Amino acid sequence: GAGVSQSPSNKVTEKGKDVELRCDPISGHTALYWYRQRLGQGLEFLIYFQGNSAPDKSGLPSDRFSAERTGESVSTLTIQRTQQEDSAVYLCASSLGGRGNEQFFGPGTRLTVL
Amino acid sequence: RKEVEQDPGPFNVPEGATVAFNCTYSNSASQSFFWYRQDCRKEPKLLMSVYSSGNEDGRFTAQLNRASQYISLLIRDSKLSDSATYLCVVTYDRGSTLGRLYFGRGTQLTVWP
Repeated sequence: GAGVSQSPSNKVTEKGKDVELRCDPISGHTALYWYRQRLGQGLEFLIYFQGNSAPDKSGLPSDRFSAERTGESVSTLTIQRTQQEDSAVYLCASSLGGRGNEQFFGPGTRLTVL
Repeated sequence: RKEVEQDPGPFNVPEGATVAFNCTYSNSASQSFFWYRQDCRKEPKLLMSVYSSGNEDGRFTAQLNRASQYISLLIRDSKLSDSATYLCVVTYDRGSTLGRLYFGRGTQLTVWP
Protein backbone atom coordinates (compact mmCIF):
# COMPACT_ATOMS: atom_id res chain seq x y z
CA GLY A 1 0.00 0.00 0.00
CA ALA A 2 0.91 3.65 -0.22
CA GLY A 3 3.34 4.96 2.33
CA VAL A 4 3.75 8.44 3.73
CA SER A 5 4.23 10.98 1.00
CA GLN A 6 5.63 14.48 1.22
CA SER A 7 5.78 17.37 -1.17
CA PRO A 8 7.73 19.04 -2.50
CA SER A 9 10.75 16.76 -2.36
CA ASN A 10 13.03 19.76 -2.67
CA LYS A 11 12.40 23.43 -2.02
CA VAL A 12 14.79 26.30 -2.54
CA THR A 13 13.65 29.66 -1.25
CA GLU A 14 15.03 33.06 -0.46
CA LYS A 15 15.51 34.31 3.05
CA GLY A 16 12.38 36.01 4.33
CA LYS A 17 9.92 34.07 2.18
CA ASP A 18 7.23 31.78 3.56
CA VAL A 19 7.13 28.09 2.69
CA GLU A 20 4.54 25.35 3.05
CA LEU A 21 5.44 21.70 3.31
CA ARG A 22 2.85 18.99 2.88
CA CYS A 23 2.51 15.52 4.35
CA ASP A 24 0.05 12.81 3.37
CA PRO A 25 0.05 10.13 6.06
CA ILE A 26 -0.82 6.49 5.64
CA SER A 27 -4.59 6.06 5.54
CA GLY A 28 -5.98 5.15 8.95
CA HIS A 29 -3.00 6.45 10.90
CA THR A 30 -4.22 8.72 13.65
CA ALA A 31 -0.85 10.02 14.73
CA LEU A 32 1.29 12.35 12.63
CA TYR A 33 4.68 13.81 13.46
CA TRP A 34 6.97 16.42 11.98
CA TYR A 35 10.73 16.31 12.50
CA ARG A 36 13.63 18.39 11.27
CA GLN A 37 17.05 17.00 10.47
CA ARG A 38 19.91 19.36 9.80
CA LEU A 39 22.91 18.10 7.85
CA GLY A 40 24.83 15.57 9.91
CA GLN A 41 22.51 15.96 12.88
CA GLY A 42 19.90 13.82 14.58
CA LEU A 43 16.14 14.09 14.32
CA GLU A 44 14.66 17.13 16.01
CA PHE A 45 11.02 16.75 17.04
CA LEU A 46 8.78 19.61 15.96
CA ILE A 47 5.11 18.77 16.46
CA TYR A 48 2.82 15.79 17.03
CA PHE A 49 -0.86 15.34 16.16
CA GLN A 50 -2.90 12.54 17.72
CA GLY A 51 -6.48 12.23 16.57
CA ASN A 52 -8.62 15.12 17.78
CA SER A 53 -6.39 15.92 20.76
CA ALA A 54 -4.60 19.24 21.01
CA PRO A 55 -1.28 18.90 19.19
CA ASP A 56 2.00 18.70 21.07
CA LYS A 57 3.79 21.79 19.76
CA SER A 58 6.60 21.68 22.27
CA GLY A 59 9.27 21.15 19.63
CA LEU A 60 8.51 24.11 17.40
CA PRO A 61 11.65 26.28 17.49
CA SER A 62 9.96 29.66 17.09
CA ASP A 63 6.64 31.30 16.35
CA ARG A 64 7.62 31.37 12.69
CA PHE A 65 6.78 27.68 12.61
CA SER A 66 3.22 26.38 12.60
CA ALA A 67 1.43 23.25 11.49
CA GLU A 68 -2.09 22.18 10.82
CA ARG A 69 -3.79 18.91 10.30
CA THR A 70 -7.29 18.41 8.99
CA GLY A 71 -8.91 15.50 10.77
CA GLU A 72 -6.74 12.44 10.33
CA SER A 73 -5.47 13.37 6.91
CA VAL A 74 -3.11 15.82 5.34
CA SER A 75 -0.85 18.04 7.38
CA THR A 76 0.88 21.26 6.39
CA LEU A 77 3.97 22.68 8.06
CA THR A 78 4.40 26.39 7.45
CA ILE A 79 7.58 28.34 8.02
CA GLN A 80 7.20 32.09 7.85
CA ARG A 81 10.00 34.54 7.08
CA THR A 82 12.48 31.74 6.49
CA GLN A 83 16.03 32.05 7.76
CA GLN A 84 19.16 30.27 6.59
CA GLU A 85 19.23 28.19 9.76
CA ASP A 86 15.88 26.71 8.69
CA SER A 87 17.69 24.80 5.95
CA ALA A 88 17.21 21.12 6.71
CA VAL A 89 15.31 18.03 5.70
CA TYR A 90 11.80 18.09 7.11
CA LEU A 91 10.49 14.60 7.78
CA CYS A 92 6.92 13.60 8.40
CA ALA A 93 5.92 10.31 10.01
CA SER A 94 2.63 8.65 10.81
CA SER A 95 1.58 5.78 13.03
CA LEU A 96 -1.52 4.04 14.26
CA GLY A 97 -1.17 6.09 17.42
CA GLY A 98 -0.96 5.14 21.04
CA ARG A 99 1.92 3.54 22.78
CA GLY A 100 4.69 1.77 21.01
CA ASN A 101 3.42 1.90 17.46
CA GLU A 102 5.92 1.92 14.62
CA GLN A 103 6.34 5.27 12.92
CA PHE A 104 6.54 5.23 9.15
CA PHE A 105 8.49 8.07 7.66
CA GLY A 106 8.02 9.92 4.43
CA PRO A 107 10.99 10.67 2.17
CA GLY A 108 11.27 14.20 3.49
CA THR A 109 11.37 17.67 2.00
CA ARG A 110 14.85 19.13 1.60
CA LEU A 111 14.56 22.85 2.29
CA THR A 112 17.34 25.22 1.30
CA VAL A 113 17.11 28.86 2.32
CA LEU A 114 19.47 31.08 0.38
CA ARG B 1 20.14 16.36 29.74
CA LYS B 2 18.80 14.76 26.57
CA GLU B 3 16.04 12.18 26.83
CA VAL B 4 18.04 9.65 24.83
CA GLU B 5 21.83 9.56 24.61
CA GLN B 6 23.92 7.63 22.14
CA ASP B 7 27.59 7.50 21.26
CA PRO B 8 27.62 9.10 17.79
CA GLY B 9 30.60 7.02 16.68
CA PRO B 10 31.64 6.56 13.99
CA PHE B 11 32.20 2.86 14.36
CA ASN B 12 34.35 1.49 11.55
CA VAL B 13 34.51 -2.31 11.47
CA PRO B 14 35.55 -4.95 8.92
CA GLU B 15 33.09 -7.32 7.35
CA GLY B 16 32.33 -10.22 9.64
CA ALA B 17 32.97 -8.28 12.84
CA THR B 18 30.62 -8.09 15.78
CA VAL B 19 29.71 -4.60 16.89
CA ALA B 20 27.59 -3.33 19.77
CA PHE B 21 25.88 -0.01 20.35
CA ASN B 22 24.52 1.28 23.62
CA CYS B 23 21.96 3.88 24.37
CA THR B 24 20.79 5.39 27.66
CA TYR B 25 17.52 7.07 28.45
CA SER B 26 16.78 9.52 31.20
CA ASN B 27 13.19 8.82 32.19
CA SER B 28 12.34 5.65 34.07
CA ALA B 29 8.72 6.02 32.91
CA SER B 30 9.83 4.94 29.46
CA GLN B 31 7.52 2.32 28.06
CA SER B 32 8.62 1.13 24.64
CA PHE B 33 11.95 0.96 22.94
CA PHE B 34 13.10 0.62 19.38
CA TRP B 35 16.08 0.69 17.09
CA TYR B 36 15.63 2.51 13.80
CA ARG B 37 18.06 2.50 10.91
CA GLN B 38 18.75 5.48 8.68
CA ASP B 39 20.72 5.14 5.48
CA CYS B 40 22.57 8.14 4.12
CA ARG B 41 20.12 10.77 2.83
CA LYS B 42 17.16 8.48 3.44
CA GLU B 43 14.36 8.43 5.97
CA PRO B 44 14.57 6.33 9.16
CA LYS B 45 13.03 2.88 9.13
CA LEU B 46 12.21 0.55 11.98
CA LEU B 47 14.89 -2.08 12.50
CA MET B 48 13.46 -3.82 15.55
CA SER B 49 11.57 -3.33 18.75
CA VAL B 50 13.31 -3.99 22.06
CA TYR B 51 11.66 -6.16 24.68
CA SER B 52 12.56 -6.64 28.32
CA SER B 53 13.37 -10.27 27.71
CA GLY B 54 15.68 -9.36 24.86
CA ASN B 55 14.99 -10.28 21.28
CA GLU B 56 16.85 -11.47 18.26
CA ASP B 57 16.26 -11.04 14.56
CA GLY B 58 18.81 -12.88 12.50
CA ARG B 59 22.19 -11.25 13.08
CA PHE B 60 20.68 -8.52 15.26
CA THR B 61 20.10 -8.81 19.01
CA ALA B 62 18.50 -6.12 21.13
CA GLN B 63 18.62 -5.96 24.91
CA LEU B 64 16.91 -3.76 27.46
CA ASN B 65 18.14 -3.12 30.99
CA ARG B 66 15.44 -1.17 32.82
CA ALA B 67 17.34 -0.97 36.08
CA SER B 68 20.27 0.78 34.40
CA GLN B 69 18.10 2.49 31.79
CA TYR B 70 20.05 1.40 28.77
CA ILE B 71 19.36 -0.39 25.54
CA SER B 72 21.83 -2.22 23.38
CA LEU B 73 22.02 -3.46 19.84
CA LEU B 74 24.43 -6.20 18.81
CA ILE B 75 25.20 -6.91 15.17
CA ARG B 76 27.00 -10.14 14.42
CA ASP B 77 28.80 -11.03 11.19
CA SER B 78 28.61 -7.46 9.90
CA LYS B 79 27.82 -6.94 6.23
CA LEU B 80 28.70 -4.01 4.01
CA SER B 81 24.96 -3.34 3.77
CA ASP B 82 24.80 -2.76 7.54
CA SER B 83 26.55 0.58 7.05
CA ALA B 84 24.06 3.16 8.26
CA THR B 85 23.15 5.29 11.25
CA TYR B 86 21.35 3.44 14.04
CA LEU B 87 18.85 5.44 16.04
CA CYS B 88 17.78 4.55 19.55
CA VAL B 89 14.16 5.44 20.24
CA VAL B 90 12.01 5.46 23.37
CA THR B 91 8.43 6.33 24.17
CA TYR B 92 6.91 7.48 27.44
CA ASP B 93 3.52 7.06 29.01
CA ARG B 94 2.74 10.69 29.71
CA GLY B 95 -0.79 11.82 29.03
CA SER B 96 -0.94 14.00 25.96
CA THR B 97 2.49 12.90 24.77
CA LEU B 98 1.41 9.26 24.65
CA GLY B 99 2.79 7.83 21.47
CA ARG B 100 5.45 10.45 20.89
CA LEU B 101 8.85 8.93 20.14
CA TYR B 102 12.10 10.36 21.40
CA PHE B 103 15.08 9.78 19.14
CA GLY B 104 18.73 9.67 20.02
CA ARG B 105 21.16 11.40 17.68
CA GLY B 106 22.20 8.09 16.20
CA THR B 107 25.35 5.99 16.01
CA GLN B 108 27.10 5.85 12.67
CA LEU B 109 28.39 2.47 11.50
CA THR B 110 30.66 1.86 8.52
CA VAL B 111 31.49 -1.70 7.56
CA TRP B 112 34.51 -1.99 5.28
CA PRO B 113 35.50 -4.92 3.06
